[in-house]
Amino acid sequence: AQSVSQHNHHVILSEAASLELGCNYSYGGTVNLFWYVQYPGQHLQLLLKYFSGDPLVKGIKGFEAEFIKSKFSFNLRKPSVQWSDTAEYFCAVNSRNDYKLSFGAGTTVTVRA
Amino acid sequence: NAGVMQNPRHLVRRRGQEARLRCSPMKGHSHVYWYRQLPEEGLKFMVYLQKENIIDESGMPKERFSAEFPKEGPSILRIQQVVRGDSAAYFCASSPGRDRANSPLHFGNGTRLTVT
Repeated sequence: AQSVSQHNHHVILSEAASLELGCNYSYGGTVNLFWYVQYPGQHLQLLLKYFSGDPLVKGIKGFEAEFIKSKFSFNLRKPSVQWSDTAEYFCAVNSRNDYKLSFGAGTTVTVRA
Repeated sequence: NAGVMQNPRHLVRRRGQEARLRCSPMKGHSHVYWYRQLPEEGLKFMVYLQKENIIDESGMPKERFSAEFPKEGPSILRIQQVVRGDSAAYFCASSPGRDRANSPLHFGNGTRLTVT
């Protein structure tokens, strides 16, 4: 079975600081990788996804993530956060032929103005 | 273009009562998934349904939990005789169904069930 590990439970930053959220998964086969975000009071939204190709993936709102196959990692980054990035961030994985997503426990990001 | 609609947003039940959670998928989506998020944990897959069919219920607890997605109307997740351990956030997601493994899911806001 797959498992997904997110390194930080809660991250607190000031505006304009850089953000990096760690995500590691355990699965030996070919995978699809996702980052979802849940803003306060809203539904889970897809930030970005990796299926194949360039391991550096650009998403919405200035986010990017890098797939490093040798490290089984898919870390999320943003060079300069804004107060509106305050949210909970979830890393998720599914194997290429399986629709079931495995989620990490989530990281709560609080950006102070 | 309404997204995935879940209701209620919050549901409080006493132990032993029944909980019914509803999910209307996005327009044009015929596949529905239910996930549960327990406190301090990630979302866990529960069940995958198409209209009038349960495709995969491998994540559902063996007792008290059931799900349906009728020909007309929303998908329903039903929990009978709730216990405190059922307190969680329940998320519904939908997809159009084509290329299931490679289609990102669209999620609802979730229903937060509290059992007192």
